[in-house]
Amino acid sequence: AQSVAQPEDQVNVAEGNPLTVKCTYSVSGNPYLFWYVQYPNRGLQFLLKYITGDNLVKGSYGFEAEFNKSQTSFHLKKPSALVSDSALYFCAVRKNTGGFKTIFGAGTRLFVKA
Amino acid sequence: DAGVIQSPRHEVTEMGQEVTLRCKPISGHDYLFWYRQTMMRGLELLIYFNNNVPIDDSGMPEDRFSAKMPNASFSTLKIQPSEPRDSAVYFCASSELGYEQFFGPGTRLTVL
Repeated sequence: AQSVAQPEDQVNVAEGNPLTVKCTYSVSGNPYLFWYVQYPNRGLQFLLKYITGDNLVKGSYGFEAEFNKSQTSFHLKKPSALVSDSALYFCAVRKNTGGFKTIFGAGTRLFVKA
Repeated sequence: DAGVIQSPRHEVTEMGQEVTLRCKPISGHDYLFWYRQTMMRGLELLIYFNNNVPIDDSGMPEDRFSAKMPNASFSTLKIQPSEPRDSAVYFCASSELGYEQFFGPGTRLTVL
């Protein structure tokens, strides 16, 4: 079975500082990994994905994530946080074979203080 | 493109009533997913379709829930009869190749 863990319920960071939102996963075989963001009263928005290739993936709004197979992690990062980045962030995983069922983590609330 | 469209945006009903949620996916997307989001259980996949065919409905909580996709541009999620524990935000998402998903704005369901 596949699973995703986001160990932090909330991450607080000052505007202009780098941010990291952590994600670890468990899946048999090779994973497809995703990050999504959710603003209040909105649906989730896709940020970036890892399918294969370069372990460092760049996505929307200046976000990036690094796939680390040995640590089964896919942490989301941004060099300089903005107040407008404050939102709920979800990590998700899917197996690369046997269907398209995607499992989402519980979410991490990011709060960026001005 | 208008994105994924869901209706209604809000639904308040009484226990025992039938509820129908509607979704129009992005044109050209072959995959459609229904999710339920609650504070307690997070985001749960209920069912997904590929080319209008249900592929995995293992997340449908019980027989009171049913989903259909009669054509490529329309899907419904029905709850009959509804119960207070069904109160949640229900999202529809579509995907072109089954990788990233594009979510609708959701339907907030309240069952009294």
